[in-house]
Amino acid sequence: EVQLVESGGGLVQPGGSLRLSCGASGFIFSYYSMNWVRQAPGKGLEWISSINSKSSAIYYADSVRGRLTISRDNAQNSHFLQMHNLRDEDTAVYYCARPSLTFGGVSPFDSWGPGTLVTVSS
Amino acid sequence: EIVLTQSPGTLSLSPGETATLSCRASQSVGSNYLAWYQQKPGQAPRLLISIASTRATGIPDRFSGSGSGTDFTLTINRLEPEDFAMYYCQQYSSSGSTFGQGTKLEIK
Repeated sequence: EVQLVESGGGLVQPGGSLRLSCGASGFIFSYYSMNWVRQAPGKGLEWISSINSKSSAIYYADSVRGRLTISRDNAQNSHFLQMHNLRDEDTAVYYCARPSLTFGGVSPFDSWGPGTLVTVSS
Repeated sequence: EIVLTQSPGTLSLSPGETATLSCRASQSVGSNYLAWYQQKPGQAPRLLISIASTRATGIPDRFSGSGSGTDFTLTINRLEPEDFAMYYCQQYSSSGSTFGQGTKLEIK
């Protein structure tokens, strides 16, 4: 069974930093690109970043580029989101999501973690 | 960046009726890489449809997707009580993705 579990969320002050982790099991992690999607309270879904299986292709949404860094460790079956200079508007549930196809196949996200809440507030 | 606009914002229907949800893109969606998700309160999204019209594994055939280019539709026939939820469309590519703002399907 595919499982994704996010961790690392919490309360952080504006301007602060936080590192989220997503642990994966039940599939060959190194075969898949991975993504982060966030959802502000009462709002819709926002894709924010993706990383391919070899970390050679990384993409960010314009709203977070320059403040967030995605990375992965295939040996640990995990990927990460380092967030810097956090703003109030970064408050959201952060989901990790896996596409349905391996390697370079273009596909939507068929597996999601339960999410971790990041609250940016003084 | 492709902007997706969903309509209506809220759709009020009764069980047994048919729901028609729309997703319009600001430019043509390449290869019809358009997906639909269902999300219930406190839960992660669930993939329903990919490539505009292909149902994901385990999705009932009451759910169907159609469209191409810039105009896409999710149709839910014979609404069941468990179908009342938020629905999002998503365009996806090799270099990123965007979601629509969502349609809330509520019980009338």
